[in-house]
Amino acid sequence: AQTVTQSQPEMSVQEAETVTLSCTYDTSESDYYLFWYKQPPSRQMILVIRQEAYKQQNATENRFSVNFQKAAKSFSLKISDSQLGDAAMYFCAYRSGGNDMRFGAGTRLTVKP
Amino acid sequence: NAGVTQTPKFQVLKTGQSMTLQCAQDMNHEYMSWYRQDPGMGLRLIHYSVGAGITDQGEVPNGYNVSRSTTEDFPLRLLSAAPSQTSVYFCASSYSVAGTVYNEQFFGPGTRLTVL
Repeated sequence: AQTVTQSQPEMSVQEAETVTLSCTYDTSESDYYLFWYKQPPSRQMILVIRQEAYKQQNATENRFSVNFQKAAKSFSLKISDSQLGDAAMYFCAYRSGGNDMRFGAGTRLTVKP
Repeated sequence: NAGVTQTPKFQVLKTGQSMTLQCAQDMNHEYMSWYRQDPGMGLRLIHYSVGAGITDQGEVPNGYNVSRSTTEDFPLRLLSAAPSQTSVYFCASSYSVAGTVYNEQFFGPGTRLTVL
C-alpha cells in the first residue's frame, strides 16, 4: 500500500522568511498526483498546490512551490515570504489512478512575527 | 455553488447511541468519501463511493455504514457509538478525468464528534 511520510511534526518560520516542508512517499505506480493541503484553525481543508507525476516541471502557485523528485519519491513544499496567515497544519497527500487518497500525518507550521 | 456541505458541525453522543452524519455536494462529482482525522495520524479513509449505488470500504470501516442513493448525498452512519470514534469527520468529493483518474478532493467543513 502507498504510504506518505511527513518527518517534521512541527516547523517554525519568521515572518517574511522562507520555509520548506518535507514529504516522502512510497509507491510502485508510475502515474499519480501529489498534493499539499493546508488546514488552518477553522479546520477547513484547503488545496495549496498539486503536481502530476508525469510533469517534470515543478508546480508553483504564487508564494508556494514544490520540489518534486520522482526518483527519490520526494515532494517538498516551499513557502516564500511567509505570512502570519500561513500558520496552519499542512498535509501532503498522494493519489494514483485508483480511488484512494493517502495523507501524511501533517506538519504544524508556526509563523513568528 | 455551495460545494461540499456537512451537518452537524458538532455532536456529542453517549456510548451505544447511533447517528447519521450528513454530506452533500452540488458539483455533480462521481466520487465521494469519508475520512476521520485523529491527532498525529492525518486523515484516514473510512468509506468511499464512485457513484450512486456503489460503495466500498476504506482503511478504517469498522463501526460505520454508508449508502449512496443519489449523486449528491453520501451519509455516514455510526451504528453504536464508541469512545474510540471520537474524532473529526470530513466528507470529500472529486471528479474524474478521462473516466477513471481522480484528481484533487474538495472537502466539507468537518464534524467534530465526541462520544462519552
